[in-house]
Amino acid sequence: AQTVTQSQPEMSVQEAETVTLSCTYDTSENNYYLFWYKQPPSRQMILVIRQEAYKQQNATENRFSVNFQKAAKSFSLKISDSQLGDTAMYFCAFMTRSDMRFGAGTRLTVKP
Amino acid sequence: DGGITQSPKYLFRKEGQNVTLSCEQNLNHDAMYWYRQDPGQGLRLIYYSQIVNDFQKGDIAEGYSVSREKKESFPLTVTSAQKNPTAFYLCASSDRHRLAGYNEQFFGPGTRLTVL
Repeated sequence: AQTVTQSQPEMSVQEAETVTLSCTYDTSENNYYLFWYKQPPSRQMILVIRQEAYKQQNATENRFSVNFQKAAKSFSLKISDSQLGDTAMYFCAFMTRSDMRFGAGTRLTVKP
Repeated sequence: DGGITQSPKYLFRKEGQNVTLSCEQNLNHDAMYWYRQDPGQGLRLIYYSQIVNDFQKGDIAEGYSVSREKKESFPLTVTSAQKNPTAFYLCASSDRHRLAGYNEQFFGPGTRLTVL
């Protein structure tokens, strides 16, 4: 079975600092996509960043970037210059043609 | 504006009653999904539909039913057979799965169901 593991239930970071959230996954598929979603207190799920497994280059979206290690099945999210608005639950997700899996989430708190 | 709407935002149900959660999208997406979110467990897939008049069970379909009579709508019924229905329910949609490109899911605002 395909699984997604987020080993850090909670993390905190000081405003303006950098934080990295971990995600590992397990699959036998070769074609898949990886996502990080953010869920703020409003509970609206918001896509943060996406990565196609066939692309070696790590995706970047402004202050958000990923470290995608396909052989290690690792997909970590780095948030630079953390802002108070980044406080949220962060979910790592994995998608193939027939399946979509989410991790249990990491609760990130940005402290002023 | 294009998006996904879910109603109601909060729903209360007495034990033994069926209840239907609404999900509508105007993104012209073929695929729609229902997830359940419990504390500490992330999102779990209940049902999904890749095309009108067709749907498949997810990991936790027992006690739930769905229909897909229109492309825009994918209502979820929580039946009295669902033993622990109190949870937050999220609906999502995406372009139909294809080999090339990505198929990110767009989410609605969710419905909080509480069984009294």
